[in-house]
Amino acid sequence: DQQVKQNSPSLSVQEGRISILNCDYTNSMFDYFLWYKKYPAEGPTFLISISSIKDKNEDGRFTVFLNKSAKHLSLHIVPSQPGDSAVYFCAASWSGTASKLTFGTGTRLQVTL
Amino acid sequence: DVKVTQSSRYLVKRTGEKVFLECVQDMDHENMFWYRQDPGLGLRLIYFSYDVKMKEKGDIPEGYSVSREKKERFSLILESASTNQTSMYLCASSVAGTSNQPQHFGDGTRLSIL
Repeated sequence: DQQVKQNSPSLSVQEGRISILNCDYTNSMFDYFLWYKKYPAEGPTFLISISSIKDKNEDGRFTVFLNKSAKHLSLHIVPSQPGDSAVYFCAASWSGTASKLTFGTGTRLQVTL
Repeated sequence: DVKVTQSSRYLVKRTGEKVFLECVQDMDHENMFWYRQDPGLGLRLIYFSYDVKMKEKGDIPEGYSVSREKKERFSLILESASTNQTSMYLCASSVAGTSNQPQHFGDGTRLSIL
């Protein structure tokens, strides 16, 4: 039972354009959501997070949007850069599980010149 | 900066061997985690620990055990390695408290079981 789903395995975007990565979840208990970026042969690095009391969080070129009624979140990268090419994982947790994260299957983003 | 160090980047073992994967963190984090990453499956939690000597099963604990004798060190043990345990193994740590704390990951151990 996949509680966190990333339905697009890959995405290709031109440099300078917006990248939109999507994530859906099924467990309404989730109250904290994160995005991680992973380069080959490296561990995932934390990118940005959002609490369920918010619907938007920004950090530089990265913005995460949360739609609780649709159980959907998205990561926007503007403008996209070649160094953003990586696999992006969304993850979710709820306060009853003390930091235990449930991850999606990942989306491979390629930013082309 | 949080540093999570996994003892080996690459490891090749034979079926039936007992395999130890070691992880050390330097930020005095209470929580530590072991995941495996497989294509198309994302990261799946094997075991986690909230404190020394404490351990809890994750989503896929079968065939694995863990040990946490010191706060900074969390070991994953494959009791009798099998080919379906060939994977990328990732260790992570985080502070205790509410859920609103990101986990910090090591660079992973790519384990091949022949």
